[in-house]
Amino acid sequence: AQSVSQHNHHVILSEAASLELGCNYSYGGTVNLFWYVQYPGQHLQLLLKYFSGDPLVKGIKGFEAEFIKSKFSFNLRKPSVQWSDTAEYFCAVNSRRGNTGKLIFGQGTTLQVKP
Amino acid sequence: DAGVTQSPTHLIKTRGQQVTLRCSPKSGHDTVSWYQQALGQGPQFIFQYYEEEERQRGNFPDRFSGHQFPNYSSELNVNALLLGDSALYLCASSRDRGRYEQYFGPGTRLTVT
Repeated sequence: AQSVSQHNHHVILSEAASLELGCNYSYGGTVNLFWYVQYPGQHLQLLLKYFSGDPLVKGIKGFEAEFIKSKFSFNLRKPSVQWSDTAEYFCAVNSRRGNTGKLIFGQGTTLQVKP
Repeated sequence: DAGVTQSPTHLIKTRGQQVTLRCSPKSGHDTVSWYQQALGQGPQFIFQYYEEEERQRGNFPDRFSGHQFPNYSSELNVNALLLGDSALYLCASSRDRGRYEQYFGPGTRLTVT
């Protein structure tokens, strides 16, 4: 069965610290990969996406993610976090076979940035 | 350009009742997907509508049904509500059967008592 695993459920960092959130997926075919963010009181927003090409993708607000096909991973990184990055982060995957739009989400990681 | 909109924002129902949730997709989008998000969990796919037909379904019982209208807006219906149906229901819109990224609405918080 297809699944997405996010290793860290709750991360606490101080401002200016570096961030890396792990995401691994289980699926044998070709996939699209996404990171979504949910700020307190707001709806899910797309942070970045990977469809094909350069495995290092850049998103909004200084975030980036690297797709490592051999490890089935799509980890999210940011060199220096800000208090405003406090939010819940979700990794998601969908299959490109059959044009499916079914997104499978991880459980989410709550990031708390201390000022 | 309005994003994805959902109504109502909050809803309280009694066990056994029926509920209808509504979604209007982002302009230019023709595909609507519905997700259920329980507290502390990631969203779970319910089903997807494209060209007014259900195209794909997740692991949800037949009590969950939907509809898509010619203007691409969509409804989610849940019959015979259970306490376990209490959750945030999210609508996402996209182009071309979800081949591209999906954009989410603010959700409808359903509480079943």
